[in-house]
Amino acid sequence: GAVVSQHPSRVICKSGTSVKIECRSLDFQATTMFWYRQFPKQSLMLMATSNEGSKATYEQGVEKDKFLINHASLTLSTLTVTSAHPEDSSFYICSLERRDGTGELFFGEGSRLTVL
Amino acid sequence: LAKTTQPISMDSYEGQEVNITCSHNNIATNDYITWYQQFPSQGPRFIIQGYKTKVTNEVASLFIPADRKSSTLSLPRVSLSDTAVYYCLVGPNRDDKIIFGKGTRLHILP
Repeated sequence: GAVVSQHPSRVICKSGTSVKIECRSLDFQATTMFWYRQFPKQSLMLMATSNEGSKATYEQGVEKDKFLINHASLTLSTLTVTSAHPEDSSFYICSLERRDGTGELFFGEGSRLTVL
Repeated sequence: LAKTTQPISMDSYEGQEVNITCSHNNIATNDYITWYQQFPSQGPRFIIQGYKTKVTNEVASLFIPADRKSSTLSLPRVSLSDTAVYYCLVGPNRDDKIIFGKGTRLHILP
């Protein structure tokens, strides 16, 4: 069964609005989750690392005030795209890592954001 | 995370065996090699993982030479539904970064 649940799978919004995407760990507690963005025919680009109970770590070039990440519990991380604009339209994916020393990753189903 | 290099794209035909090779020259002693498959508009999903030699599961085999600087994902008797992007990653991640390479876009033809 699924280990990670991501919601919503699709969202369409008007420019200037904010959108929240949820990522839930279903099988185990995740102190760390990862958020990626993927443009058409491109690879996944790491946006930020979400840390439970502390501030997220953002990759260079990713605006932390634009992409708000909250990891308030061991099973839930949220990504809020604030004041979305058409250029923010993309596929957003969360993942978490199995902490057994193998580095295996579990991914959410992804969220397709379209900003009109 | 050790950098990986894969072919950008590959074409094959239904029923053929497909081998995709990944280079990871600076793999660390405690790194595993993991392959993921991604269909359009879906998150990647785990295919197979190995540390050394050969690993086989119900969908693929993974061949890792003794120096572990490369690995080959083998898909037996591919079908149209195997058309996807395949990513190889090595880890566990260090510095809390999990960086994806460009992956290999596999296109299966009828």
